[in-house]
Amino acid sequence: NAGVMQNPRHLVRRRGQEARLRCSPMKGHSHVYWYRQLPEEGLKFMVYLQKENIIDESGMPKERFSAEFPKEGPSILRIQQVVRGDSAAYFCASSRTTGSQETQYFGPGTRLLVL
Amino acid sequence: SQQGEEDPQALSIQEGENATMNCSYKTSINNLQWYRQNSGRGLVHLILIRSNEREKHSGRLRVTLDTSKKSSSLLITASRAADTASYFCATVPISSGSARQLTFGSGTQLTVLP
Repeated sequence: NAGVMQNPRHLVRRRGQEARLRCSPMKGHSHVYWYRQLPEEGLKFMVYLQKENIIDESGMPKERFSAEFPKEGPSILRIQQVVRGDSAAYFCASSRTTGSQETQYFGPGTRLLVL
Repeated sequence: SQQGEEDPQALSIQEGENATMNCSYKTSINNLQWYRQNSGRGLVHLILIRSNEREKHSGRLRVTLDTSKKSSSLLITASRAADTASYFCATVPISSGSARQLTFGSGTQLTVLP
């Protein structure tokens, strides 16, 4: 059973370009979470999605950031017109349910560098 | 400020010694989890302790939870060089409703010297 998969693992973009980060949850998991980690800091929640629905996007910047989890295919975190401050590691996690004791399993992350 | 705060920020010990890390949080929680992150890698789930549990063991790991003090500790016994990593506590606040997003602290960087 493959774990959570993310790609690309590393992404370099110039200011103003778009970044697309992909996440395939573990088999049987229909709940996806995106987190961002700045250097030397812990992870910060961004958005929680179920298939075709955004459940909670309270941690996501209002502009330039969007996320989706279509019926078929991976979840996508999209950052438009990237700025240097977007440079960070972006982690995706998935869970089977949202029971209060459910474990979230994390992918290896995508490290975004904005030049 | 952070929901979870680890203490100390950095810890350096000799192989074979025990390592203790602490975590404090602010709101009522459903559970508290500890994760490990090796440099430049993703997070690995270590252990989950429910709000109605006081202590839990898993191999060389021992976690305690004191909900009255809103604090938890992670003890790694007989440490190994391979335990060198950052350790994060993460909580699921009761107020998170059905969202269940984790709130992470800033982590403890553990270095185990051979």
